Amino acid sequence: NAGVTQTPKFQVLKTGQSMTLQCAQDMNHNSMYWYRQDPGMGLRLIYYSASEGTTDKGEVPNGYNVSRLNKREFSLRLESAAPSQTSVYFCASSEAGKGQNLLAKNIQYFGAGTRLSVL
Amino acid sequence: DQQVKQNSPSLSVQEGRISILNCDYTNSMFDYFLWYKKYPAEGPTFLISISSIKDKNEDGRFTVFLNKSAKHLSLHIVPSQPGDSAVYFCAARGLDQTGANNLFFGTGTRLTVIP
Repeated sequence: NAGVTQTPKFQVLKTGQSMTLQCAQDMNHNSMYWYRQDPGMGLRLIYYSASEGTTDKGEVPNGYNVSRLNKREFSLRLESAAPSQTSVYFCASSEAGKGQNLLAKNIQYFGAGTRLSVL
Repeated sequence: DQQVKQNSPSLSVQEGRISILNCDYTNSMFDYFLWYKKYPAEGPTFLISISSIKDKNEDGRFTVFLNKSAKHLSLHIVPSQPGDSAVYFCAARGLDQTGANNLFFGTGTRLTVIP
């Protein structure tokens, strides 16, 4: 039972480099999310996708792009990494699709995280 | 501006005693509140939730209390066990700037249960 799988677990980049964080879920969930966690800031939503083919900005989208490749996969791309993007990144998924409000379907399940350092 | 706040970054409790983790929020339109638990090098895992129409929800050793008038919720763990040592995040469900239902997370409280 893999749940939500993120790769890589760790990454070090130089300023200006690009990279893509991968996320896949095997729970047949409709919605997927990318968060970043910074000290003293909690988890902040970067982008989310309520269904295959749709993406929406969250609280802190600047400097990031996302792709919902299919129902299983949701990737996060940093085109030109900056030191301010040093963080721990979490991918999550939930069963709910757009407009589905039942709480049980909205509970989010998280991957183990990617620790990214930008020098 | 942080809509969900956990003002205690850390808490230490003796094994067997009660742990009380607190959370405050500012948005009266939040309709559900959740607690997540996070161990080092792992993602947060869902622990317990409560609807805004209730004031208490219990699941084994974990109880969540909601005081809507004070915009305050708390998580009680009784009795506390060393395996409960983790970071606990409070989260609330509400509409984001795009009008979609999403979760807003607090900054977390690190609980240490001392054997």
